[in-house]
Amino acid sequence: QVQLVQSRAEVKKPGASVKVSCETSGYSFTNYYMHWVRQAPGQGLEWMGMINPRGGGTSYPHNLQGRVTMTRDTSTRTVYMELSSLRSEDTAVYYCVRGNYYDYWGQGTLVTVSS
Amino acid sequence: EIVLTQSPGTLSLSPGERATLSCRASQSVSSSYLAWYQQKLGQAPRLLIYDTSSRATGIPDRFSGSGSGTDFTLTISRLEPEDFAVYYCQQYGSSPPTFGQGTKVEIK
Repeated sequence: QVQLVQSRAEVKKPGASVKVSCETSGYSFTNYYMHWVRQAPGQGLEWMGMINPRGGGTSYPHNLQGRVTMTRDTSTRTVYMELSSLRSEDTAVYYCVRGNYYDYWGQGTLVTVSS
Repeated sequence: EIVLTQSPGTLSLSPGERATLSCRASQSVSSSYLAWYQQKLGQAPRLLIYDTSSRATGIPDRFSGSGSGTDFTLTISRLEPEDFAVYYCQQYGSSPPTFGQGTKVEIK
């Protein structure tokens, strides 16, 4: 069955970077785009960008350009999301999700940014 | 970017009642690429509907989606106790993909 397993929760100081991983299994890795979505406490869902596992091409929203980087490792079927220059507003649960409509979700990774 | 506005913000209903949730887009959603998700407290969202009206795998038929252009609806024909949750719409026809702000369906 399809599984997306994310790395554990992180606590970071303002200005630091965080890298979250998402290991996939149960389907053809290169056949589906992978997206990242985040949810701040008590808030809605925000799209953070996507990566094409086949060629590694990426697309990011304007508000995160320059701070977010998505990569993939086809040998381990894993995608990564790195967010730099962290600020308190980046405190959120980060999800990796499969496809253009998100039929499978990772379990979420809580990233807390606090001094 | 396409802004999605969901209404109402909160819907207070009793089990067995019909729920009608609205999602309005600021411009036409390309190819009816609109999805609905359900999220319960402390859980990841779950896909209910994609392409406006197609039910995702394992989703009961009391959930249905409809609409076109800029107006979309999620209908839950008879609310079960497990349906009380927050619901989000999402468009994926234009970049960037965007979400509505959510509708909370609560027990009356």
